[in-house]
Amino acid sequence: GENVEQHPSTLSVQEGDSAVIKCTYSDSASNYFPWYKQELGKRPQLIIDIRSNVGEKKDQRIAVTLNKTAKHFSLHITETQPEDSAVYFCAASTGGYQKVTFGTGTKLQVIP
Amino acid sequence: DVKVTQSSRYLVKRTGEKVFLECVQDMDHENMFWYRQDPGLGLRLIYFSYDVKMKEKGDIPEGYSVSREKKERFSLILESASTNQTSMYLCASSLSPGFYEQYFGPGTRLTVT
Repeated sequence: GENVEQHPSTLSVQEGDSAVIKCTYSDSASNYFPWYKQELGKRPQLIIDIRSNVGEKKDQRIAVTLNKTAKHFSLHITETQPEDSAVYFCAASTGGYQKVTFGTGTKLQVIP
Repeated sequence: DVKVTQSSRYLVKRTGEKVFLECVQDMDHENMFWYRQDPGLGLRLIYFSYDVKMKEKGDIPEGYSVSREKKERFSLILESASTNQTSMYLCASSLSPGFYEQYFGPGTRLTVT
């Protein structure tokens, strides 16, 4: 089955700096890559996703890049703010019944 | 606005008890999922269902079963709870093939003593 590895497990940045979280996947058939944000005590919520026919996608301060050849994808957050502090999960899916495999999560701390 | 609800936020059960966790979604979603969340292990899929009375094993189905008698309701059953099933359990739903966003419930923190 699919295996998704996520790094780093924890990340501390100063407010205003950029943060990058990286994930690799094992199944070359995976074609959908979502990112979820989970604030403390709350449920995970989708923040951005990318499909395999696209190399990069942006939404305001967040962006995701995908390298299908290397089977890795990354989340980039620019101009970080304290409210960006959360656990971020990457995931991969081959489609079908939409089973996704999640990474182990990255706890991002933005220091004011 | 999609709403996914879970029957309990906190639950304490004894070893060997049968435990039912219920999840309800109000947006006519086809697919429903049960995950457990443990520190350092991320979200691991226990079971999922893509239609009423249909179920598929996820990555860690051992010790669990599920039931989906109605489209809006997906139940997770621990036949005989054990201490290693102490965890946060999250339910999720998604619309249909081609619409991939999963909407999560608030979670149930289960403690088995």
